[in-house]
Amino acid sequence: RKEVEQDPGPFNVPEGATVAFNCTYSNSASQSFFWYRQDCRKEPKLLMSVYSSGNEDGRFTAQLNRASQYISLLIRDSKLSDSATYLCVVNTRGSTLGRLYFGRGTQLTVWP
Amino acid sequence: GAVVSQHPSWVICKSGTSVKIECRSLDFQATTMFWYRQFPKQSLMLMATSNEGSKATYEQGVEKDKFLINHASLTLSTLTVTSAHPEDSSFYICSASGTGGNTDTQYFGPGTRLTVL
Repeated sequence: RKEVEQDPGPFNVPEGATVAFNCTYSNSASQSFFWYRQDCRKEPKLLMSVYSSGNEDGRFTAQLNRASQYISLLIRDSKLSDSATYLCVVNTRGSTLGRLYFGRGTQLTVWP
Repeated sequence: GAVVSQHPSWVICKSGTSVKIECRSLDFQATTMFWYRQFPKQSLMLMATSNEGSKATYEQGVEKDKFLINHASLTLSTLTVTSAHPEDSSFYICSASGTGGNTDTQYFGPGTRLTVL
């Protein structure tokens, strides 16, 4: 069983739409959770950390359910520039240090 | 902020040749560097973890004699793909963490795309 599972998509949505991505992880000892964004042929970049209380950064909202080992990312008012692959990342440490476990990513295309 | 560079950004080589990829931390000392590999439409897979001045720790299934890692200084780690074959064609990404910058964060390099003919 993979450490991190994601729906690969692709998700194709119009500008202004709201889109949600989900992710599950297998290791109950995981301590920190992140969403990264990866553009085509580029390195992954940290989008946001995910906390149990839920956190919001502008149009992006992340949620964590430890009991279900489930992480989500909600993007509101989608922009063309949001088109990318979104990676769910889990760590057994409380930061991005150490061994990160990456999901295979969910591809998003926002069309005008 | 902390910057990690990789060189080359892309390389095309013939089967059987060796290719060296450099990963540098430009404005901080990287006590630990990580090497990942990503095949098309797949997740990043950790290949090995290297700490400055010591031998790299390889993940299960990664041949240490084929993927030579050297972390000789606090700002440089190299990955050498020896006797490369077409199945080694992939996107290789390094990351680094250490003193300076945000010590709680792992910084990624821009990646090296390797194509073996």
